Formats: sequence, C-alpha cells, structure tokens
Amino acid sequence: DAKTTQPNSMESNEEEPVHLPCNHSTISGTDYIHWYRQLPSQGPEYVIHGLTSNVNNRMASLAIAEDRKSSTLILHRATLRDAAVYYCILNYGGSQGNLIFGKGTKLSVKP
Amino acid sequence: DTEVTQTPKHLVMGMTNKKSLKCEQHMGHRAMYWYKQKAKKPPELMFVYSYEKLSINESVPSRFSPECPNSSLLNLHLHALQPEDSALYLCASSLPGQPDGYTFGSGTRLTVV
Repeated sequence: DAKTTQPNSMESNEEEPVHLPCNHSTISGTDYIHWYRQLPSQGPEYVIHGLTSNVNNRMASLAIAEDRKSSTLILHRATLRDAAVYYCILNYGGSQGNLIFGKGTKLSVKP
Repeated sequence: DTEVTQTPKHLVMGMTNKKSLKCEQHMGHRAMYWYKQKAKKPPELMFVYSYEKLSINESVPSRFSPECPNSSLLNLHLHALQPEDSALYLCASSLPGQPDGYTFGSGTRLTVV
C-alpha cells in the first residue's frame, strides 16, 4: 500500500482556517485520497475524498497538488469541536479498497 | 438509521473468560469490519466481511473469532485473551469497495485482567 506522511500534531486558533498537509509521494494513478477524523472517545468519521480535482463539502475542502504527491485538508473556520486526529488515507479505487490508517495528525484548537 | 451500534460500550474480562462483542447496522451495508485500536495509535484492521463472507483476516490470533450471522450483525467472539489485547474495538460498515462511505461505531473498550 502507498504510504502517507502527516505531521504528528498541529495547533490552531478557534475561528481561523486550518491547513492539514499530507505527503504521498508514492501514490498510484488509481489511488483515491481519503480523509477521516476521530474525535475523542468516538470512532473515526468520513470527512472528504478526491482523486485529482479539488473537492468541497460541508465539512471541509481538499486541495490536491497537480502531481498528486501531496494534498491539504482545509477547515475554513476551526471550532473547538474540530479538535481530533485527522487521518489521510490512500485507497485503491476499486472493489479491493479497505481503509488502512496511518498515524494521523492530532489537531488542537485553542479558544 | 445511519448508525453503527456496538455493545457493550465497556467490557472487563478475565483471561479465562469467553465473551462476545456485538455490532449492528441497518443501512443496507454489505461490508463490515473489525478494527483494534490501542491507546494513542491508529485503528488496525482485523477482519473484513463482504456479503456475510469473511474476505480478509489480517493474521489475527485465533483467540479472536468473528461471525457474521446476517447482513446487519457482526460479532467478535473472545476467548483466552491476554492483557495486551486490552484496546478499543471498533466496528464499521460500508458498501463493498466504497472507502468513502465507512460508518464507524463508537467502539467497545475492552480490558483484560
């Protein structure tokens, strides 16, 4: 499986944008980029995913580099409820896909 | 119903006990998963069921025995566990081959004494 590299931890101030980076230099052409997050004492939850183009949804935006070797999850206005571990996961686009988690980034949000 | 329900939420068991963890979903998902998560570590995939058939066993010791009696239920039977098996056990479900649509339960916190 292709690997991802994320910072261990990041800090943000409440109501400011947060950019969470992910490097995946060995990504293959069929790998989708998925982001999940895990709030304290909860199971992971889906945030966003993409293949080549930038993506937006109600939770976040995903910016994918043109060479697809890196991506950035953007939270436009961080709230205290966004404090969580954020996982960037590569997944083969097909029936063989299973979620394999890496170490993730622990995001702290300060009031 | 858009939830995965896991019971019990907490479980303490001795090394000679037999217990079972239960997971239930009513979203019509035909893929179900067990993950194990140790403190401050990412979830590790243990088992994958697809259409009620075991499709992946990630070299999990036989003291963990999964069972999928129907498309809505997933069990994990535990026997002769070790203290190092203490962890959060997470169940998830999805449409098969749809990694963007995993729904996770809140997990069972297992302590082996």
